[in-house]
Amino acid sequence: QKEVEQDPGPLSVPEGAIVSLNCTYSNSAFQYFMWYRQYSRKGPELLMYTYSSGNKEDGRFTAQVDKSSKYISLFIRDSQPSDSATYLCAMSLNRDDKIIFGKGTRLHILP
Amino acid sequence: NAGVTQTPKFQVLKTGQSMTLQCAQDMNHNSMYWYRQDPGMGLRLIYYSASEGTTDKGEVPNGYNVSRLNKREFSLRLESAAPSQTSVYFCASRGHLNQPQHFGDGTRLSIL
Repeated sequence: QKEVEQDPGPLSVPEGAIVSLNCTYSNSAFQYFMWYRQYSRKGPELLMYTYSSGNKEDGRFTAQVDKSSKYISLFIRDSQPSDSATYLCAMSLNRDDKIIFGKGTRLHILP
Repeated sequence: NAGVTQTPKFQVLKTGQSMTLQCAQDMNHNSMYWYRQDPGMGLRLIYYSASEGTTDKGEVPNGYNVSRLNKREFSLRLESAAPSQTSVYFCASRGHLNQPQHFGDGTRLSIL
């Protein structure tokens, strides 16, 4: 079982829809959870960063962590064509210097 | 504010040639990282440097060497390039443990 599993997509949704992106993980010791967005030919940029369980909201983006299920989600409300990108989940152990990345989900928002 | 800067952006090499990829950050970060990104494989850690003067192997270190020249700069060297090293290479930096990493825009390397 891989440490972090993420559906590669592509996921195509119409503009204005709510998007749900998900990752599962196997190591219950992960404490820090991140979502990165990567546009074509660019480096990943940090979108959301959360510690332990719960929800975190930033504008149209909501990150959710369910440690009991080892499942994290990113919700995008009122999706825009500019949200079309690859979304990478990532996580790390408490005070560990290595971050484990999912393989990324390609998202297309259709105008 | 430049953040993490990688040079060159593109490079084509022949098998057996050597090459150094450069990375510099202006955020006074302690930790720096080199990743490679391949289709279907995601981001894989090659080497990292937790602080100036230290380096450690990541998941896929074979065929690579690194140098943490000073706090700002972390270079990745391919001594004898192989076609299997064709990839997009990303450098990242992080200020403190448990803080997120910031990435450069990558070096696209093709080895023929």
